[in-house]
Amino acid sequence: EDKVVQSPLSLVVHEGDTVTLNCSYEVTNFRSLLWYKQEKKAPTFLFMLTSSGIEKKSGRLSSILDKKELFSILNITATQTGDSAIYLCAVEENYGGSQGNLIFGKGTKLSVKP
Amino acid sequence: KAGVTQTPRYLIKTRGQQVTLSCSPISGHRSVSWYQQTPGQGLQFLFEYFSETQRNKGNFPGRFSGRQFSNSRSEMNVSTLELGDSALYLCASSPSAGLNTQYFGPGTRLTVL
Repeated sequence: EDKVVQSPLSLVVHEGDTVTLNCSYEVTNFRSLLWYKQEKKAPTFLFMLTSSGIEKKSGRLSSILDKKELFSILNITATQTGDSAIYLCAVEENYGGSQGNLIFGKGTKLSVKP
Repeated sequence: KAGVTQTPRYLIKTRGQQVTLSCSPISGHRSVSWYQQTPGQGLQFLFEYFSETQRNKGNFPGRFSGRQFSNSRSEMNVSTLELGDSALYLCASSPSAGLNTQYFGPGTRLTVL
């Protein structure tokens, strides 16, 4: 079963709208949760979250983590066509010591129409 | 600073062959991670190397291996290629150990016939 589940799988909005992307996870030893934006090929790093309730913000993007309910949200306000991309959520799982794994969700494809 | 570079960018192999992909990290970065991306499975983590040592490993069979050299450049090898190994292989580098704050390269598109 999928350990990291993103919703919705795709979303179409108009410029200026606000969107909320969801990521829920189920791993044994959580270390961190990461958000990436993938436009053409290479993902670009957005946020890393390790503590509950602390909002990370970068311009119009913000994200928060809830370690009790095992989910994170990524908010984008005043969307622009340049925000069109696939947004990936990944959870870092700790196996002990420095060993671990990074598990990705399937992504949310966001399309912003002018 | 130059970004992460990967060579070759495109590769066609046949089943049963082996392949070696190369990744040069951003100057000064010591961590290199490898990922496989396919339409069906999405993005999957292969392994991470830091200071020539494998630190983290995903759930891939032993046919997938890697190594890192003293100049932080990394290679990934896939032996006995299968059709399902056709994918975009991405490399990412980071200034420190760990799987966060990574900068991705453009990828190598591998097609197995």
